[in-house]
Amino acid sequence: GAVVSQHPSRVICKSGTSVKIECRSLDFQATTMFWYRQFPKQSLMLMATSNEGSKATYEQGVEKDKFLINHASLTLSTLTVTSAHPEDSSFYICSAETGNTIYFGEGSWLTVV
Amino acid sequence: DQQVKQNSPSLSVQEGRISILNCDYTNSMFDYFLWYKKYPAEGPTFLISISSIKDKNEDGRFTVFLNKSAKHLSLHIVPSQPGDSAVYFCAAQAGGTSYGKLTFGQGTILTVHP
Repeated sequence: GAVVSQHPSRVICKSGTSVKIECRSLDFQATTMFWYRQFPKQSLMLMATSNEGSKATYEQGVEKDKFLINHASLTLSTLTVTSAHPEDSSFYICSAETGNTIYFGEGSWLTVV
Repeated sequence: DQQVKQNSPSLSVQEGRISILNCDYTNSMFDYFLWYKKYPAEGPTFLISISSIKDKNEDGRFTVFLNKSAKHLSLHIVPSQPGDSAVYFCAAQAGGTSYGKLTFGQGTILTVHP
């Protein structure tokens, strides 16, 4: 079946540095991908909608200059957390849309120290 | 502003019994609801869904009930099995938005004891 792969699954970075998370659809083309964030004991919150070849659409309250999203191909979207701070430590997860079906990646745990 | 709420963080059920997971929403624009199951270190996987034009949808051991007037939905699992132990997320989609743009609840940890 369709699979969405997310990498890395866990990453620790120093405060002030940038970290990139990749989301790949392995056996289908995804014109639209979504990025979510989940803080402890909270729900998955949509950060942005990523469309191939165009700028991402960010949800209210999400800083587009801090969370850079690139959807350069139909199988790859990347989320770059720039100038990361400890409060950015969270679980980030992507999903990819094909037809009327959504597949989620495994998620990435980011810890900023 | 939590538009989708799962007020029970956890639920413990004996194998063979019924598991009932609840979800409440506030946004009247939501017209499609989904339940996802998530195991540790894996992404959420789709379980069952229901359109707002229905009040019940059944798929094997899983049944979702929707009460639009109360803005409440529930997932029934019967009989519950130990392999059902996971985190269950309720999600909602608003009409006119992209299919994949979902609003999630906080999740409920279901533990099914043998």
